[in-house]
Amino acid sequence: QKEVEQDPGPLSVPEGAIVSLNCTYSNSAFQYFMWYRQYSRKGPELLMYTYSSGNKEDGRFTAQVDKSSKYISLFIRDSQPSDSATYLCARASGGSYIPTFGRGTSLIVHP
Amino acid sequence: DAGVTQSPTHLIKTRGQQVTLRCSPISGHKSVSWYQQVLGQGPQFIFQYYEKEERGRGNFPDRFSARQFPNYSSELNVNALLLGDSALYLCASSFSDRQGAHEQYFGPGTRLTVT
Repeated sequence: QKEVEQDPGPLSVPEGAIVSLNCTYSNSAFQYFMWYRQYSRKGPELLMYTYSSGNKEDGRFTAQVDKSSKYISLFIRDSQPSDSATYLCARASGGSYIPTFGRGTSLIVHP
Repeated sequence: DAGVTQSPTHLIKTRGQQVTLRCSPISGHKSVSWYQQVLGQGPQFIFQYYEKEERGRGNFPDRFSARQFPNYSSELNVNALLLGDSALYLCASSFSDRQGAHEQYFGPGTRLTVT
C-alpha cells in the first residue's frame, strides 16, 4: 500500500462550483500535511500545510485533516478556470524535510 | 527576487547516454533537493544537499549522483540512461536542511526524454 493515495481524476467542474479533493494515508506516526498546486510544465507550488486535525482556511481554500480516518481534503470555493491544475497532497513526519507525495488529482474548471 | 532556476528546460537523450541537470537555488538558500516526477505520479525524492554535503538519499540506483557547489548551486547526473528515466526532474531549495518539508520551493523542472 502506498503511503499517500490520491485519485488521479480528471475532475471536471463548472466555474463557481465547490471542489473537494481527497487523499488517504497509511502511516500513523506524528506528521503534517501539505497541498501543492502544479500547473502544466511547472513545478509544484505550496498552497497550504497543516499539522493538526480539523480545518485550516486560506482565502478560497480550506484544508481538512481527519486523523482518525487518515483522510485529508482540500476544498476550493468559487472555483475559477485558473484553478485548473494538478493538486498534489503530501505528508511528512515531524521534523522531516522529505515530503511523500500522492500521485495528484487533475482538476479542470470549465467556464 | 528570482525563484529556483533549472537548466535546461527540456532535453532528449538516447539510452545509455549520460545527462547533467543544473539547479540554482533561491538567493540565501543553502539546501537543494532533487526529485523525479514520472508522468502521472507525484515527485519522488532523490537527494538532498546542504553545505556541499549529501544529507539524504532516496531509493534510486547508483546511476544517479549529485553534487553541490560553493555557491550552493547543484548538479544532478544520471549515467547509463534507461527509458524509465524519462521524467520531470525537479529541484527544490530551502534555507537549511533543518526546515520542514513545507519550506521548500520548487523550480520549474527539467523534462528529460530518453529514446
